[in-house]
Amino acid sequence: GAGVSQSPSNKVTEKGKDVELRCDPISGHTALYWYRQSLGQGLEFLIYFQGNSAPDKSGLPSDRFSAERTGGSVSTLTIQRTQQEDSAVYLCASSPGQGSGYEQYFGPGTRLTVT
Amino acid sequence: KQEVTQIPAALSVPEGENLVLNCSFTDSAIYNLQWFRQDPGKGLTSLLLIQSSQREQTSGRLNASLDKSSGRSTLYIAASQPGDSATYLCAVNAGKSTFGDGTTLTVKP
Repeated sequence: GAGVSQSPSNKVTEKGKDVELRCDPISGHTALYWYRQSLGQGLEFLIYFQGNSAPDKSGLPSDRFSAERTGGSVSTLTIQRTQQEDSAVYLCASSPGQGSGYEQYFGPGTRLTVT
Repeated sequence: KQEVTQIPAALSVPEGENLVLNCSFTDSAIYNLQWFRQDPGKGLTSLLLIQSSQREQTSGRLNASLDKSSGRSTLYIAASQPGDSATYLCAVNAGKSTFGDGTTLTVKP
């Protein structure tokens, strides 16, 4: 079946512009995660959604970052007033649920370059 | 705060060797631990998931172990092949996941 998809695959934007990154999780997966991977750095947790619970936003680096998940499916990560340090690969993952038996499935990522 | 460390950072071996990658974590209150593979410029491919109640999982030439009490996991790769060359990441999941920085493996023909 279809995996996690993300769009766009690449995004180049000018400093100060807003960007929206989209994630389509695997159908039926209740948990959805956003991470970012900066050059030379590890994977950094940003935010996760689990069902109808309030999202865990503890990883968002600043108030310029926000995310929503509509109808328990598609998610959009928005970065306002982009800065050069926002350049990274943004990865989305989904999982059938939360708990010991559930693994995360990752999308291919969106490479964001802020010029 | 959960911290995950992977050792070594890089490893180069000749084809056919068996090898072990190490992952340690500081907080044992986890749901599971997942090993991933990442090829350059690509996303993450899940290799093995070990639930918190399990000690090990096997898939083909891969075997992963988990000792939750000591905060350690190992990924054993048997009879390595050049196609195994990639970065291997471990992720500790307790709701959100915390990743190590990875081990970059090169298997030379």
